[in-house]
Amino acid sequence: AAGVIQSPRHLIKEKRETATLKCYPIPRHDTVYWYQQGPGQDPQFLISFYEKMQSDKGSIPDRFSAQQFSDYHSELNMSSLELGDSALYFCASRRATSPSGNTIYFGEGSWLTVV
Amino acid sequence: AQKVTQAQTEISVVEKEDVTLDCVYETRDTTYYLFWYKQPPSGELVFLIRRNSFDEQNEISGRYSWNFQKSTSSFNFTITASQVVDSAVYFCALSEASTNAGKSTFGDGTTLTVKP
Repeated sequence: AAGVIQSPRHLIKEKRETATLKCYPIPRHDTVYWYQQGPGQDPQFLISFYEKMQSDKGSIPDRFSAQQFSDYHSELNMSSLELGDSALYFCASRRATSPSGNTIYFGEGSWLTVV
Repeated sequence: AQKVTQAQTEISVVEKEDVTLDCVYETRDTTYYLFWYKQPPSGELVFLIRRNSFDEQNEISGRYSWNFQKSTSSFNFTITASQVVDSAVYFCALSEASTNAGKSTFGDGTTLTVKP
């Protein structure tokens, strides 16, 4: 079965650069979530979108922005990168209206290293 | 506010031993969902189980079993006859049963090492 696809899987950027991560949810899933997991830490919720509208916001820095497009894929844009942004970024998706809609499925994550 | 506590930071066992990972949660919601995820060294988060707050039946899936006790706000995970491939970080997570269901609060994770 198709899973959540994230790209790129690995990304190396320098401080103050910009990075964009992409997420392609499972087909027919209408909700996308972004999480950030620092080294040795648990995943922290950043932001979510439902039907292309932002539905909730967590601990996302102002330097970061995200959106969900008409095909339901999502992009996380990170500007003025800092060393502390180095982390594993997960995208997850769910279909809000399905019986198991409260289960979210994670992608394999995108490793961002800021040097 | 929601909170998930996994008191065991690291557990080390020898293959074939049984091991239980503890999870205690706090929430003001009357309806909520609990999850367990496995994160192997490769980094991906693998969904293991979802349990809603109205369903206190214990569940068994192969060598895995889960004990949900609402009275003690615990959702413990047991691996029977552990194997080296079970070595991973295991996260317990809690989410609202609403449109924000995916906004999960994770515990700090328990690193399980299974030695041959």
